[in-house]
Parts: sequence; structure tokens; C-alpha cells
Amino acid sequence: DIVMTQSPDSLAVSLGERATINCKSSQSVLYSSDSKNYLAWYQQKPGQPPKLLFYWASTRESGVPDRFSGSGSGTDFTLTISSLQAEDVAVYYCQQYYSTLRTFGQGTKVEIK
Amino acid sequence: QVQLQQWGAGLLKPSETLSLTCAVYGGSFSGYYWSWIRQPPGKGLEWIGEINHSGNTNYNPSLKSRVTISVDTSKIHFSLKLNSVTAADTAVYYCARGLGPAYSSTWYNWFDPWGQGTLVTVSS
Repeated sequence: DIVMTQSPDSLAVSLGERATINCKSSQSVLYSSDSKNYLAWYQQKPGQPPKLLFYWASTRESGVPDRFSGSGSGTDFTLTISSLQAEDVAVYYCQQYYSTLRTFGQGTKVEIK
Repeated sequence: QVQLQQWGAGLLKPSETLSLTCAVYGGSFSGYYWSWIRQPPGKGLEWIGEINHSGNTNYNPSLKSRVTISVDTSKIHFSLKLNSVTAADTAVYYCARGLGPAYSSTWYNWFDPWGQGTLVTVSS
């Protein structure tokens, strides 16, 4: 299994400040044949299903605000919220789809300081 | 716009069989893999398995011995059965569409959209 480890488990950021979430995979999720990173990011608000934010590590899903960005390659990835808004309070998950056994990170809870 | 609507029993006793169904509205059923994913209360996400319109399945090895995912293409829905449940199977269960490429009959999927979720509680 590819183990996905996120850090930190939680963070509190002031409104308008930057929030950075890290995701590390136990093996590379960069597929050599197409040079793409098989990694997605989701946002989950309380009582709701996860919402897709990014796929291919950095391709933003339609409708996702551009204050969200995804980056990284190989085994190390980052989700950044450039200017935290109140509506961004949520738990964020990374997911690898390099392996048929899809696995998720444990989640990072983002709160307002 | 594809929407997924799911339903099924929410309270089970240990050793019973969990049964959930997910209907697909507003989009094509064929050409995708359709997954079940679960989330224990306050915890992270676990992929359970997937099926396509032809009935081809892939399962999480940790659950494979107890899971059956089936499809009814005439009704455009797919179902999950998990037998011999225990308290450890208590979770919110989601259905979701898989998106992504396929190479050599292997699909590489992220998930969008998701169903609304069904809380299944296993308790005696």
C-alpha cells in the first residue's frame, strides 16, 4: 500500500493569512510514462462529502477559487491557501491514484486563529 | 451535471450484512468506474472498492473477503454489500464516480462527485 502522511494534523491561521498543508507519499506517485503526479486534494466541511479541489497534483477543479494552489512532485506535495477565508474552514485530504489501491492522507484540519 | 443519491439501512447488529445502493442521475453511467468509500466517525477516508458498467470490480484487499459490489445498468445504480459487520465497520459510507485515465485496462481514478453519505452504525 502507498501510505499518505499529511502534516500538520491541524493548523490555525488568521483570516487573510497563508495556510500550508503538506502531503508525503511512501513511494513516488509520479508516473514516468506521462510525467504526471497521480495525486488529488479534497476539502471536506462538517456534515458534507469531500469536494474535489485538485487532480494531477496541481490542476484546479472548475469553480475552485484561485487562492487555492497545489504543488509538488514525486513524494512531496503541498496545498496552499494564499489568503484564508472563513469559508475555508474544513478538513483537507490528499489521495494517491498511482496504485489501484487508492489511499488517502489522514486529513489536516484548518481553523481560524 | 452528475448527481449521486444513495440509500440503505443505517443501523445493523453485529454479524449482519450492510447493504447500500447508489443511483446515478444526470450523466453517463458507462465509461466510468464507480466506487464506495467509507469514513469512520472523526477519522479519515478508506476506499472500499469499485465497479464499472460491465461489472468489472476492484476491491481493497483488506475488505475483499467480505465485500461485494454489483451493478444494475438498467436502473443506473450500483450497490455495496459488506457481510459479517462489526463495530469497526461503523462509518459514513459514500459512493463516488471515478475520474481519470485508463492504461492497459487499469484505471487511475480520483473521485468526483460524491454521494451525500450514509451513516451506518453497527451496535448490538
